[in-house]
This record gives sequence, C-alpha cells and structure tokens, in this order.
Amino acid sequence: SSELTQPPSLSVSPGQTASIPCSGDQLGDKYVSWYQQKTGQSPVLVIYQDTKRPSGIPERFSGSNSGNTATLTISGTQSLDEADYFCQAWDSISSCVFGSGTKVTVL
Amino acid sequence: QVQLVESGGGVVQPGRSLRLSCVASGFTFRNHGFHWVRQAPGKGLEWVAVISFDGIDKYYADSVKDRFTVSRDSSRNTVYLQMESLSVHDTAIYYCARDPRIMYKSSWSHFDSWGPGTLVNVSS
Repeated sequence: SSELTQPPSLSVSPGQTASIPCSGDQLGDKYVSWYQQKTGQSPVLVIYQDTKRPSGIPERFSGSNSGNTATLTISGTQSLDEADYFCQAWDSISSCVFGSGTKVTVL
Repeated sequence: QVQLVESGGGVVQPGRSLRLSCVASGFTFRNHGFHWVRQAPGKGLEWVAVISFDGIDKYYADSVKDRFTVSRDSSRNTVYLQMESLSVHDTAIYYCARDPRIMYKSSWSHFDSWGPGTLVNVSS
C-alpha cells in the first residue's frame, strides 16, 4: 500500500493560518479526508472528499487536493484547534491509508 | 443522533482471543457499512477491517488478515471484531466507525462517526 506523509508538528499563532500538507503518490487522483483528534478523544471528521465540510465544522476549516499533495487549511486558528490532524485516503477497496499525523500547536 | 459504542476490550495474554462489539443507534443500521480502526498508544491511526451494509463483503488490513474476523448482527444493531492469535503488536484502542454511504459497497468513503473506542492490551 502507499504511504501518506505529514510533518510531525506545526506551530501557529492565534488568528493566523495553519496549512497542513499530506503527500502521496498521485494523491490528487484520490479522495482525501481529514480528521481532528484532541488528546484523549476519538477522531472527528473535519473534511471529506477533498474539500467538503461536515455539518457543524467551522468554515475556517478548508481542504484542497492536487497533484501529489492534499492540504488542510485552518484560517484564523483558535486555541481550541490544538489537536492532532490525520489525512486519509483509499488505495483500493481493501486498502486504506492514514497519514502519520500532524500535531498543531497554537501559541 | 448517531451513536457508536464499543466494548469488549481488556487485558489478554499473547496468543489468546478476544471479541469486540460495537452497538449502533440513532440511524438505520442495515443501511451502512462499518469499519474498525485502531490506534496504538501514542501512535497514529491504522485501518483494520470493513464490513459492507449487507454483511457480504469484508476486507482486512494485511496486518490482521487471517487472524481477525468482522461480522454484524442487524437484529442487535451490532458489529463485531473477533480477534485471534493476539500479539503485543495488536495493543491499541479499537474504534468502530461508520461509512456514510447508504447501501453502497463498490468503494468506501470517509468515516463520518466514531465511537469512543475500547482498549485492548495484549500483555503477559
């Protein structure tokens, strides 16, 4: 199965924009989803099918996917956005891959 | 509202078996496929298995193939994960997650709802 690469960590100041990349071979040909996981909690879907936001997810979360890189963007980052973020895609009907995760720190 | 609740985790010796359950509520159970995803302590997410809405199609990660079996019981709104020949590498929180597509199994989508997870600790 393929791999999805994310930076281990990212720091952002409150109110600034955080951009989290997820790289994989021909990733732009697949749908990418993003999950937020706060400490001690289950993952929460924040972006699906590259750009769509589930109901209840703030508009400051957006996604894009082209070429070999998908990106989750958090605009106007708030302290409550501190969490681990994982990208995810399907290689085939029997192979799902997650990125290694990016820890976002707001300081 | 959609709710998934896992149970059945605990401490188990290497080589032994364990069965996890995931009880679903708040939606039409028989319309959806379900996945199991695990997370080792301090690590990332790893997809484990999926079962289609009708229980016919099942797929597994290579790391658990031939050891784990996923099943479902629509009369109990419950999905199961039977785990055999457990090793220390199977130690993780196991999450049940719903596939959002209705009565569809030609491909899988994202995981739109997750349970709180159940911890499996394989230790001698």
